[in-house]
Amino acid sequence: LAKTTQPISMDSYEGQEVNITCSHNNIATNDYITWYQQFPSQGPRFIIQGYKTKVTNEVASLFIPADRKSSTLSLPRVSLSDTAVYYCLVRPIVLVYNFNKFYFGSGTKLNVKP
Amino acid sequence: DSGVTQTPKHLITATGQRVTLRCSPRSGDLSVYWYQQSLDQGLQFLIQYYNGEERAKGNILERFSAQQFPDLHSELNLSSLELGDSALYFCASSVYPGGSTSTDTQYFGPGTRLTVL
Repeated sequence: LAKTTQPISMDSYEGQEVNITCSHNNIATNDYITWYQQFPSQGPRFIIQGYKTKVTNEVASLFIPADRKSSTLSLPRVSLSDTAVYYCLVRPIVLVYNFNKFYFGSGTKLNVKP
Repeated sequence: DSGVTQTPKHLITATGQRVTLRCSPRSGDLSVYWYQQSLDQGLQFLIQYYNGEERAKGNILERFSAQQFPDLHSELNLSSLELGDSALYFCASSVYPGGSTSTDTQYFGPGTRLTVL
């Protein structure tokens, strides 16, 4: 089971680009990397997912180096509303009968200041 | 709005009691997942159902049980409640049975806040 390590917290200012790095040294060949955002007392919200290289959507970019032992979530020009906890999740493609395969870790609390 | 609904939003009960949390998945989603989030434990995966059958089990206590009904809604039953069971309980749903494709994204509901006194 590939566990993840993220910084506990990060501070940023409005308009800046924020990069949150997640370490997953034991990632397996069939594992995908998924990032979620969670606001207080709300359910996590899917942001982006990838397997290798770079993935971009309307919200964020995900950079994954060739060895896949880490990944970086990039949030362009953050605003106050981006203040939340960000979870990096490593999950296998096939989960049938694979117990304990959804491991969210402790997440990174991003605090965006004016 | 993720399309996943959970009831009730808040639940206050006493130790030793039993409660049932309800989840309705997004239209078309066949998989339901339950998670527990407490202040000191983070987000913990409990159990997953696909089309009525249990598919994966996480850190779920024996006092807890779940089921998914033919209409695909799911219930999480918590019994012999203890103070430490106080937490946010989230339900999530996805289309696929657990990741046969990379697009198997989980959509989370708003949660049920359980307080055990």
